Amino acid sequence: AQSVTQLDSQVPVFEEAPVELRCNYSSSVSVYLFWYVQYPNQGLQLLLKYLSGSTLVKGINGFEAEFNKSQTSFHLRKPSVHISDTAEYFCAVSDPISSGSARQLTFGSGTQLTVLP
Amino acid sequence: EAGVAQSPRYKIIEKRQSVAFWCNPISGHATLYWYQQILGQGPKLLIQFQNNGVVDDSQLPKDRFSAERLKGVDSTLKIQPAKLEDSAVYLCASSLVPPRHYEQYFGPGTRLTVT
Repeated sequence: AQSVTQLDSQVPVFEEAPVELRCNYSSSVSVYLFWYVQYPNQGLQLLLKYLSGSTLVKGINGFEAEFNKSQTSFHLRKPSVHISDTAEYFCAVSDPISSGSARQLTFGSGTQLTVLP
Repeated sequence: EAGVAQSPRYKIIEKRQSVAFWCNPISGHATLYWYQQILGQGPKLLIQFQNNGVVDDSQLPKDRFSAERLKGVDSTLKIQPAKLEDSAVYLCASSLVPPRHYEQYFGPGTRLTVT
């Protein structure tokens, strides 16, 4: 079974500072990896995804993430955050090889990023 | 392109009452998911449909929860009777069929409070 661990439940950071949100996964097979963002009272929006190829993935709003297979990690980074980045961020994993159509997302528990002025 | 629509956005009921949520996925998306998101946790899959067939409902509490997707488009999720621990946000998502299933699009959710 797959699982996702987001090591920090809350990350406060000052505006224009860099940020890293950590995500580790456990899986015995190859995986697809995702970061979603959830703004207050809204659904989840896909930030970026890793399916294959380059381990450095760029997403929307200036975010990027790096897939590290040896460390089973997929940390999210942004070099300079804005107030508008304040939201909850979820890391998720999907198994691309499971049988049938039941290729589901398993989510971490989320990291609340709060950008301070 | 219109996104995933859900209604109602908020619902407050007393325990032992029943409630239903509605979801309209993105046009052309054959796969539909219902998730439960309890405060402070990530979404947990309840049920997955492909067209009007159930792909996986292994985490659906079938003694009180039911879901259907008639005609392979809209879907409803029902809880009867509700318990206090059902208080959560219920998210609907949709995606294309495999192999392009990996990107799921989420609706705004229905926040359920059971008192």
